[in-house]
Amino acid sequence: EVQLVESGGGVVRPGGSLRLSCAASGFNFDDYGMSWVRQAPGKGLEWVSGINWNGGSTGYADSLKGRFIISRDNAKNSLYLQMNGLRAEDTALYYCATLGSSWHFNYWGQGTLVTVSS
Amino acid sequence: SYVLTQPPSVSVAPEKTARITCGGNNIGSKRVHWYQLKPGQAPVLLIYYDTDRPSGIPERFSGSNSGNTATLTISRVEAGDEADYYCQVWDSSSDHLYVFGTGTKVTVL
Repeated sequence: EVQLVESGGGVVRPGGSLRLSCAASGFNFDDYGMSWVRQAPGKGLEWVSGINWNGGSTGYADSLKGRFIISRDNAKNSLYLQMNGLRAEDTALYYCATLGSSWHFNYWGQGTLVTVSS
Repeated sequence: SYVLTQPPSVSVAPEKTARITCGGNNIGSKRVHWYQLKPGQAPVLLIYYDTDRPSGIPERFSGSNSGNTATLTISRVEAGDEADYYCQVWDSSSDHLYVFGTGTKVTVL
């Protein structure tokens, strides 16, 4: 059974940093590209960042470039999102998801909540 | 930036059919995917590449895509189908490579 378990969320002050993790199991992690998708309270889904199977290619939503860094460790079956310079508008539930062959998201975790507040 | 527009809400009686539209400029030329979100649960992929269902997704869920509108159809609606639904495409020219629709809340009467 495919499992994606996010962790690392919490409350952080504006300007602070957090590192999210996503532990994957039940599939060959290094066969899949991965992404982070977020949902702010009362809002819709927003793609944040993506990474290919070996970490050699990454992408970010234009508004987040320079503040967030995606990475992965295939030996640990883990995906990461380093978030710096956090702002109130980054408050959201952050999901990790596997990337399918038709540029869709096959499997998702349950998310980890990030709250940016003073 | 590519925009996908969905109706904010759809109400449907049990056993009836719900249709959720996803409008976008020439969306028929893109691959459209659909997700179901329920509170406290991981999102679920319902339909990928316009019409394909992942294993485990009931046949009651179907998709179509043509022109400027993609549609998710839920037949024989059940109480458990009450959820938020989102369409999604990939658009290389967008500021978000993966673009989600605005979302539709389905209420089962």
